[in-house]
Amino acid sequence: DTEVTQTPKHLVMGMTNKKSLKCEQHMGHRAMYWYKQKAKKPPELMFVYSYEKLSINESVPSRFSPECPNSSLLNLHLHALQPEDSALYLCASSQGEGASGNTIYFGEGSWLTVV
Amino acid sequence: ELKVEQNPLFLSMQEGKNYTIYCNYSTTSDRLYWYRQDPGKSLESLFVLLSNGAVKQEGRLMASLDTKARLSTLHITAAVHDLSATYFCAVDKDFGNEKLTFGTGTRLTIIP
Repeated sequence: DTEVTQTPKHLVMGMTNKKSLKCEQHMGHRAMYWYKQKAKKPPELMFVYSYEKLSINESVPSRFSPECPNSSLLNLHLHALQPEDSALYLCASSQGEGASGNTIYFGEGSWLTVV
Repeated sequence: ELKVEQNPLFLSMQEGKNYTIYCNYSTTSDRLYWYRQDPGKSLESLFVLLSNGAVKQEGRLMASLDTKARLSTLHITAAVHDLSATYFCAVDKDFGNEKLTFGTGTRLTIIP
């Protein structure tokens, strides 16, 4: 099983709403990631969790708040977003730090539209 | 700051032809990833290249890595329509954390 599952697949939210994106993997991976991808652009790294601890925050605005409740789950809490935050949000996972030859597996993504 | 550039950005080729996509990066790294993305879909891992001179092949696709030249290539042999997609290379600049910086992407269209 090389699956990373993301929910919801589509989300429309207002600028005053609070919502969450969820990601789950059961591959025993210890590193999990959030990427943001705008239309016709490459993905950009937002956050990295390693062994359930936030290890990298790529200067992401505080209206995005990641959470890793356990080694299989990763959430991205959204609050007071702007229309320019509309994008595809991709979750990914890999074996994690120290393991060589890691393949990074991506989920199907959550399409977010902020209105 | 790490920069990853691909060329061409757009490629339209006929079925049965061969072509190569190039990926150049600006800082030292010995880990290079290739992904495929279909429209509206997620990223599918194609290859992970881990050392200078690494070459991997899967079907009609072959990827290579020259760390001294900071160059990776993705070669397509006898293209078929199913290979139409956007192809990204990505460089891991933080060994062990898989902190990927993606290239600009190459949008490949295979014409019958």
